[in-house]
Amino acid sequence: GAGVSQTPSNKVTEKGKYVELRCDPISGHTALYWYRQSLGQGPEFLIYFQGTGAADDSGLPNDRFFAVRPEGSVSTLKIQRTERGDSAVYLCASSLDRGGGYTFGSGTRLTVV
Amino acid sequence: SQQGEEDPQALSIQEGENATMNCSYKTSINNLQWYRQNSGRGLVHLILIRSNEREKHSGRLRVTLDTSKKSSSLLITASRAADTASYFCATDAIKAAGNKLTFGGGTRVLVKP
Repeated sequence: GAGVSQTPSNKVTEKGKYVELRCDPISGHTALYWYRQSLGQGPEFLIYFQGTGAADDSGLPNDRFFAVRPEGSVSTLKIQRTERGDSAVYLCASSLDRGGGYTFGSGTRLTVV
Repeated sequence: SQQGEEDPQALSIQEGENATMNCSYKTSINNLQWYRQNSGRGLVHLILIRSNEREKHSGRLRVTLDTSKKSSSLLITASRAADTASYFCATDAIKAAGNKLTFGGGTRVLVKP
């Protein structure tokens, strides 16, 4: 597609529920990134994919968070047993090889009540 | 953790004035990038400056980089109301995997008409 697409744009879920957030990157971009942004803060790195594999998952806060990219294009961020502290905007970005800028999606605003 | 720290955290200026914001970082980098964010959603890539460059221009934007001081500045000349946004610096650290960027906390710019 022309840009990075994230769905849903907004998600409200109850504490303890499971959620999936989807990212469809720009066609041909091999690198895909997930970030999380809390109000008034900068984006914080979660995980980076190069192709199908997670090249760096050091930003995932705990084992409730997991992400996949099975065919090297669309990625899904999965959060189990959601907590109120997981509420944030989850941003996805893609890029060509190293050294270029990111193209970000519009984000998914997750609210855990 | 956030590598870059922006200064000031917030800036209010009149339309037509220049806006300057600074970014400091901690580790050696391949490049430094600036992004703009409106309404807390997707970020837009503005400009990338490589570690061997000292200054770069793009339209009304001017970026400088001083690797000896580990700092960068973004100047927006002749500001417009549409420049109202949050601005983030992001660094591609030499030791980071792939094209992983680390973002600062941002400068919130308000341009009053």
